[in-house]
Amino acid sequence: SQKIEQNSEALNIQEGKTATLTCNYTNYSPAYLQWYRQDPGRGPVFLLLIRENEKEKRKERLKVTFDTTLKQSLFHITASQPADSATYLCAPNTGGGNKLTFGTGTQLKVEL
Amino acid sequence: DAGVIQSPRHEVTEMGQEVTLRCKPISGHNSLFWYRQTMMRGLELLIYFNNNVPIDDSGMPEDRFSAKMPNASFSTLKIQPSEPRDSAVYFCASTPPSSGQRAGELFFGEGSRLTVL
Repeated sequence: SQKIEQNSEALNIQEGKTATLTCNYTNYSPAYLQWYRQDPGRGPVFLLLIRENEKEKRKERLKVTFDTTLKQSLFHITASQPADSATYLCAPNTGGGNKLTFGTGTQLKVEL
Repeated sequence: DAGVIQSPRHEVTEMGQEVTLRCKPISGHNSLFWYRQTMMRGLELLIYFNNNVPIDDSGMPEDRFSAKMPNASFSTLKIQPSEPRDSAVYFCASTPPSSGQRAGELFFGEGSRLTVL
C-alpha cells in the first residue's frame, strides 16, 4: 500500500540553527511533491513544490530536496526563528488532477 | 481574494443527526478537495472534484458520507447519520487550473471542527 512517513516525534531546535525534516514515501512515483505548514487551529498553507526532475528548490530561508531514487524529500529551514514553530506536512502527488496524499506531519519547535 | 470559505467553523451534534458542511472555493479555481484531519490518521483525502465533476471518491469512508458540487462556487459534504467516530476537522481546499502559475498548489480553508456526541 502507499505510505508516507515523516518524523513522528517533535523536533526541537535552537533559534538560528538549521531545521531538517524528512519525508519518505513508498509505492509511489510522484510527479511532484509539496510541503505545507500548519499552525494550530488553522488550515495548511502551501510552502514549496518540487518536481521529479528537480533536485533542489529554494525560497528565502527554505530549501527542499527531492531524491526519487531514495524516495525521499528533505525540507530545510535555515536561520530558524521561533515564528517557524509549526507542523510541517509533506504531500506527494499520488494521482491525476493534483491529487495529494499528506504525511502525518512533523511538529517543529524553535526555542530561544 | 477572500480565500476558501468554510462553514460552520464549529459544529456539535448528537449521534444520528445529519451534518452538512459547506465550502466556497476561490473564484477561478477549477478543482475542489475535501479532507478530514484527526490526530490518529492525519489529513485524509475524502473526495475531489474537477470542473464540478467528482473525480475520485475512494476516500469517502462509507455511504453515510456524500458530497456535491452543484456549481463552481459551492460544495457540500453531508454526513447522515453522524457517528462519534466522525468527529474531526474537515477541510476544503481548491486549486487553480493546471495552466496557471500556481497550478497544483492547494489553498485550504480554515476547516470545520465537528464533534459528534
